[in-house]
Amino acid sequence: GAGVSQSPSNKVTEKGKDVELRCDPISGHTALYWYRQRLGQGLEFLIYFQGNSAPDKSGLPSDRFSAERTGESVSTLTIQRTQQEDSAVYLCASSGGQGFDEQYFGPGTRLTVT
Amino acid sequence: AQKVTQAQTEISVVEKEDVTLDCVYETRDTTYYLFWYKQPPSGELVFLIRRNSFDEQNEISGRYSWNFQKSTSSFNFTITASQVVDSAVYFCALRPSSGSARQLTFGSGTQLTVLP
Repeated sequence: GAGVSQSPSNKVTEKGKDVELRCDPISGHTALYWYRQRLGQGLEFLIYFQGNSAPDKSGLPSDRFSAERTGESVSTLTIQRTQQEDSAVYLCASSGGQGFDEQYFGPGTRLTVT
Repeated sequence: AQKVTQAQTEISVVEKEDVTLDCVYETRDTTYYLFWYKQPPSGELVFLIRRNSFDEQNEISGRYSWNFQKSTSSFNFTITASQVVDSAVYFCALRPSSGSARQLTFGSGTQLTVLP
């Protein structure tokens, strides 16, 4: 597709379960970002992948959060032992990776932890 | 540390009115980029503009205009002759233009409602 895609669009899970969220960036984009948006708030940075470099994990809120990226394609964000405060929209973005380019966002995954 | 403040949580205007959304930022970086994004009810963020800290010229794109003032660390966004379709949450964001950090620091957003 032409844009960033994310799946699932909605996920409801019980507290304590693990979830995986998927992001397909724009083809050819070397940089990929995950952000979290809590209800009524701005976006919080979680993690950033750039090519084959080590990811910048400085925004991950706890060790329950992790992410992987296969080459310069799909990325998966995993949240283990989910808590109610993890409920949010998780947004993925990609960019051409030249450093000065815009980030293009996907539609997000709305996660609800009950 | 970087910080973006959008003091206006919600703004409501009547169609055809002009409206300005405020954005104030803090950064220790000497060079940086400023952005505005629109988030309509569908949820997907739409890129509107990127401004380099070197360039303080104001920019106009149709009904949209941006006023960047480095002296006051502000990057305000004005919509002229607002339309109902402009109703959305608007986010201002900041990112250094050098170094390894590429992530955006966002403000908390301004919910704009344009009434018919």
